[in-house]
Amino acid sequence: QKEVEQDPGPLSVPEGAIVSLNCTYSNSAFQYFMWYRQYSRKGPELLMYTYSSGNKEDGRFTAQVDKSSKYISLFIRDSQPSDSATYLCAMRLTGGGNKLTFGTGTQLKVEL
Amino acid sequence: DTAVSQTPKYLVTQMGNDKSIKCEQNLGHDTMYWYKQDSKKFLKIMFSYNNKELIINETVPNRFSPKSPDKAHLNLHINSLELGDSAVYFCASSPQSDEQFFGPGTRLTVL
Repeated sequence: QKEVEQDPGPLSVPEGAIVSLNCTYSNSAFQYFMWYRQYSRKGPELLMYTYSSGNKEDGRFTAQVDKSSKYISLFIRDSQPSDSATYLCAMRLTGGGNKLTFGTGTQLKVEL
Repeated sequence: DTAVSQTPKYLVTQMGNDKSIKCEQNLGHDTMYWYKQDSKKFLKIMFSYNNKELIINETVPNRFSPKSPDKAHLNLHINSLELGDSAVYFCASSPQSDEQFFGPGTRLTVL
């Protein structure tokens, strides 16, 4: 069993929909949580970063962390075709040389 | 442009060959990384260097040898390439905080 589980999709939604992307993890020592977006044939880019339970909002994106359930989510409001990409969750321990453990990524397609 | 750059972008080679991938960052970061992304998009760390010192060395065959001549460069040399080495290799860099900036990737195909 992988340390971080993520539904690979693909997930297809109409433009304007609210998208929910999720990851579960098994290691309760993970303290820092990130969401990366990766367009086709490009490197991942950081979207959201949080280290506490609760919600963090940035424009149309909201990251949610529930440490008691070992569950994190990324919500995208008013989704656009330009949001079509693979979304990777990542997390790390305190210390550990900044080693990130990634989920397998969810492929999202937002259709016109 | 401030960025993480990698060369080459594509690499096609025969089994058994030795090849190198180069990475440079001009972001002034102290830490650099190599990741491997397989065909299912799973991204896994291989190595990390901080100021030219190896700090993360995951369970990677010793055919893979990273080298950091200075803190702006991290190269990856692969000996005796195997079919299973086919993947996209990403270089990344970060300051002391968490955000890792990724390069565009090198798509390696071993025939």
